[in-house]
Amino acid sequence: GQNIDQPTEMTATEGAIVQINCTYQTSGFNGLFWYQQHAGEAPTFLSYNVLDGLEEKGRFSSFLSRSKGYSYLLLKELQMKDSASYLCAVRDEDSGAGSYQLTFGKGTKLSVIP
Amino acid sequence: GAGVSQTPSNKVTEKGKYVELRCDPISGHTALYWYRQSLGQGPEFLIYFQGTGAADDSGLPNDRFFAVRPEGSVSTLKIQRTERGDSAVYLCASSPMGRGNEQFFGPGTRLTVL
Repeated sequence: GQNIDQPTEMTATEGAIVQINCTYQTSGFNGLFWYQQHAGEAPTFLSYNVLDGLEEKGRFSSFLSRSKGYSYLLLKELQMKDSASYLCAVRDEDSGAGSYQLTFGKGTKLSVIP
Repeated sequence: GAGVSQTPSNKVTEKGKYVELRCDPISGHTALYWYRQSLGQGPEFLIYFQGTGAADDSGLPNDRFFAVRPEGSVSTLKIQRTERGDSAVYLCASSPMGRGNEQFFGPGTRLTVL
């Protein structure tokens, strides 16, 4: 099974940098995803880490440490439109059925203020 | 190209009734997932299809829930004898074959059981 923890809420100022942490305890691991979800909308993919280290994609970066069961999502130059929930999700090892189901955390609601 | 579509966007029903929720995945995506998201929670895995077969249905909460994907494209999630606790947003996601690929989510169906 998987247990995924992330802060419930965060507030940051427009133009600033914010780091959203995610810790996980898993019986298996086959990659970690970050998704963004605006209220009432579908989750949209932000990043994928399967090896240790930092993945950078524009204003968004994601870091993974498999030995520590830890990831963070870094958002730079915050914009008002970045106000959303950010979901950390872990993919378990393939059980043999070929399923790559994701186990999601509860999400971190980020509010960007002027 | 078109993304994942789901119909209806909203469904209100009475306790004890039967409902069907439809998912149209991205063309060519062989993997299809159903998730359920309650308020303030992350999506919770229900079932996974690879082609026409349900390869992993370990997330279905009980035998009132059933899903089909007869031609390997459109999928229908069926809920019998609905209960108030079934109220949630039901999300469908599709993915190309392969472990490294992100899942693309549809907008979801908001189910309300009165």
